[in-house]
Amino acid sequence: DAKTTQPNSMESNEEEPVHLPCNHSTISGTDYIHWYRQLPSQGPEYVIHGLTSNVNNRMASLAIAEDRKSSTLILHRATLRDAAVYYCIPFSNDYKLSFGAGTTVTVRA
Amino acid sequence: NAGVTQTPKFQVLKTGQSMTLQCAQDMNHNSMYWYRQDPGMGLRLIYYSASEGTTDKGEVPNGYNVSRLNKREFSLRLESAAPSQTSVYFCASSGRTGTHNNQETQYFGPGTRLLVL
Repeated sequence: DAKTTQPNSMESNEEEPVHLPCNHSTISGTDYIHWYRQLPSQGPEYVIHGLTSNVNNRMASLAIAEDRKSSTLILHRATLRDAAVYYCIPFSNDYKLSFGAGTTVTVRA
Repeated sequence: NAGVTQTPKFQVLKTGQSMTLQCAQDMNHNSMYWYRQDPGMGLRLIYYSASEGTTDKGEVPNGYNVSRLNKREFSLRLESAAPSQTSVYFCASSGRTGTHNNQETQYFGPGTRLLVL
């Protein structure tokens, strides 16, 4: 499994963008990069995924480096409801999501 | 459409007792999973079922058994609970959908908080 490195924590002010980096330098060529988040006292929820191109959805944007060794999840305007642990997960569609410690995002009002 | 449901929400056991955690999904997903999450850590996969009738070990299967009862239900059994099994247990299901470019994205239940004394 590819190893990932994420900062332990990040803070943001409400309504400001949040950029969450993830290093996955050992990712295989066919692994997608999935992001999940876990709100306090809840199960994780899917956020976004991508392979090579940048991706956008209603929750976030995902910017993937050209060499695919890193990616950045972008929350365009953080709200208090975005306070969560964010997990970056290289995934080969083999059923096994491997969760690391993730990045704890704190949003200040 | 309830998604993934888990029962019970909270349970206290004594060492050596047994119990079964129940999980059901109503999304017609083929695959189902059991994870555990210890305080301050990420989730670890215990067992998964890629399809009805199959089960496979994950990262931390020791001390657990599973049953894929039908397509909807996947249960996790602790035969003889130990304090080291104190954790939050999450069930999930997944299926390939066109909305996610045919990637298997997982949908999680609310969790069962288990305390073993």
